Amino acid sequence: GNSVTQMEGPVTLSEEAFLTINCTYTATGYPSLFWYVQYPGEGLQLLLKATKADDKGSNKGFEATYRKETTSFHLEKGSVQVSDSAVYFCALTEAAGNKLTFGGGTRVLVKP
Amino acid sequence: EAGVAQSPRYKIIEKRQSVAFWCNPISGHATLYWYQQILGQGPKLLIQFQNNGVVDDSQLPKDRFSAERLKGVDSTLKIQPAKLEDSAVYLCASSLGGINEQYFGPGTRLTVT
Repeated sequence: GNSVTQMEGPVTLSEEAFLTINCTYTATGYPSLFWYVQYPGEGLQLLLKATKADDKGSNKGFEATYRKETTSFHLEKGSVQVSDSAVYFCALTEAAGNKLTFGGGTRVLVKP
Repeated sequence: EAGVAQSPRYKIIEKRQSVAFWCNPISGHATLYWYQQILGQGPKLLIQFQNNGVVDDSQLPKDRFSAERLKGVDSTLKIQPAKLEDSAVYLCASSLGGINEQYFGPGTRLTVT
């Protein structure tokens, strides 16, 4: 079956530091890949997505590139802010049924 | 545009009691999902509806969990009887279907004591 593995947190950073959250996946077909973010007290929100190999998703300064050869979709941001403190989830879906399979989540804490 | 609504936001019950959660999806969204998110883990799909029909309920513990989506709009998820391991956040999401984005509600945090 499908699975998503992402680095465990918490990840603690200072403001303006570089952030990387690793995500690798296992899938039988050609999945679409997503990063969702969950801010404190709020619901899950889609951060970015990529639907085919070599696609780059980007939003709010975050980027992730769909790497089929390494089955990875690492999330990066060049300069984090305190407001980026949240839990980040990597996820995938295969076209049939659109069922999302999530990783375990990575908590990020940005200190001023 | 109104988002996905869920109620209640919090619920505390004793084991062996029953509980029900309600979800109102975004207007016009044909597909509705219920996920269970145990503390420290990613959400896990429990059941997926397309209009008022079940598409996938393979991960739903059917001996105690049930869900319905009458008239293809609102949905209710029920647990009867609850166990301690059911303590989790129950998330409802909706989408237009296919590979369209899923929009999540704020969730219901259930604590079973």
